Amino acid sequence: TQLLEQSPQFLSIQEGENLTVYCNSSSVFSSLQWYRQEPGEGPVLLVTVVTGGEVKKLKRLTFQFGDARKDSSLHITAAQPGDTGLYLCAGVRGAQKLVFGQGTRLTINP
Amino acid sequence: GAVVSQHPSRVICKSGTSVKIECRSLDFQATTMFWYRQFPKKSLMLMATSNEGSKATYEQGVEKDKFLINHASLTLSTLTVTSAHPEDSSFYICSASSHANTGELFFGEGSRLTVL
Repeated sequence: TQLLEQSPQFLSIQEGENLTVYCNSSSVFSSLQWYRQEPGEGPVLLVTVVTGGEVKKLKRLTFQFGDARKDSSLHITAAQPGDTGLYLCAGVRGAQKLVFGQGTRLTINP
Repeated sequence: GAVVSQHPSRVICKSGTSVKIECRSLDFQATTMFWYRQFPKKSLMLMATSNEGSKATYEQGVEKDKFLINHASLTLSTLTVTSAHPEDSSFYICSASSHANTGELFFGEGSRLTVL
């Protein structure tokens, strides 16, 4: 059973376009994290959202946590080739246990 | 920032042999470490939680006799894949949590195991 449904799983767009990745669950998480992973490397934390309705911005990336703390979204504005990578959402359960979504493999074409 | 290092980054072994992967927290003490497995182009799946000085807690479906975890010190956890088979080939990643840090996990670079 996949506790966190991430969509889309694959996305290929042109440079300059905007995109949104969704992370949905029927479970409530104490917090939710977004990671980016390059091939052959471990995930790198981008952001942690804690409060329902919270919005965090990281340059061209905007992260939102749903009011009920069951879902989250990542919006990228004016995507660049350097944004290419695997984006993972992860719900935090007790004792820092992470439940990962399936991941979104993003390709930005020049 | 905190650094977690894994060794080796790549290992190739013959079927039937055992392989040990190390996960070290380089600049902090990690009371808890987590081991994940990642198949190609897939997400991370938690295998087990490793607690310093006590037995690891394995996720459902993970064979504890197959994947031996030892967390003998506050800076080192090891994962040993015993009697490896080709289906054990995967990317293994650890993460570590500092007892002094509330919530943030730091991931290692990962170890790619190929069993021939």
